[in-house]
Amino acid sequence: ETGVTQTPRHLVMGMTNKKSLKCEQHLGHNAMYWYKQSAKKPLELMFVYNFKEQTENNSVPSRFSPECPNSSHLFLHLHTLQPEDSALYLCASSQALAGDTDTQYFGPGTRLTVL
Amino acid sequence: AQTVTQSQPEMSVQEAETVTLSCTYDTSESDYYLFWYKQPPSRQMILVIRQEAYKQQNATENRFSVNFQKAAKSFSLKISDSQLGDAAMYFCACSNSGGSNYKLTFGKGTLLTVNP
Repeated sequence: ETGVTQTPRHLVMGMTNKKSLKCEQHLGHNAMYWYKQSAKKPLELMFVYNFKEQTENNSVPSRFSPECPNSSHLFLHLHTLQPEDSALYLCASSQALAGDTDTQYFGPGTRLTVL
Repeated sequence: AQTVTQSQPEMSVQEAETVTLSCTYDTSESDYYLFWYKQPPSRQMILVIRQEAYKQQNATENRFSVNFQKAAKSFSLKISDSQLGDAAMYFCACSNSGGSNYKLTFGKGTLLTVNP
């Protein structure tokens, strides 16, 4: 595997379900990100982790819970979601958070549908 | 707060022709970075080109080049010799180089169609 991978690629869940999205980067990066991409809207940054520590929570509802056990893995735990949470969730990583090494590389995304 | 505006929701180009995608931005930062990302139908967002605002020379990457007009806060992408594989959604993005330069602000995107 190379680059940034995400599983599952598609997920359908009910509003009472609990599910998790997984992201793994094989680039040796230290920073990882979660984005939400909704139709007709710009990408929205949700969370940022740097060396496993959360550095950014962009006012995301608590029904989204991130976890970063190490610099290579990032999870997004989902519970009691709403239909408006249906979107493409993108993971990204970068070598660092500053300077010339902050270029972000994206995964293919998880298409989430909340019924 | 930064804003990025892509005024062309859709564009089309004939194969082998040249197309320019527009992007304007607004930022209070004096130093920042600008990016163009491509998102093909497979959904993998790919970095196309990057420009440091402190550099006057326009960035180029093979068939892709930018026209960076700092005073006008304009950052357009030119694709030369367009290929069918260039068909995708293109996003312009801006980040600052301060303490939080990882915060990318994206435009809404331009959907590029390449006609054979």
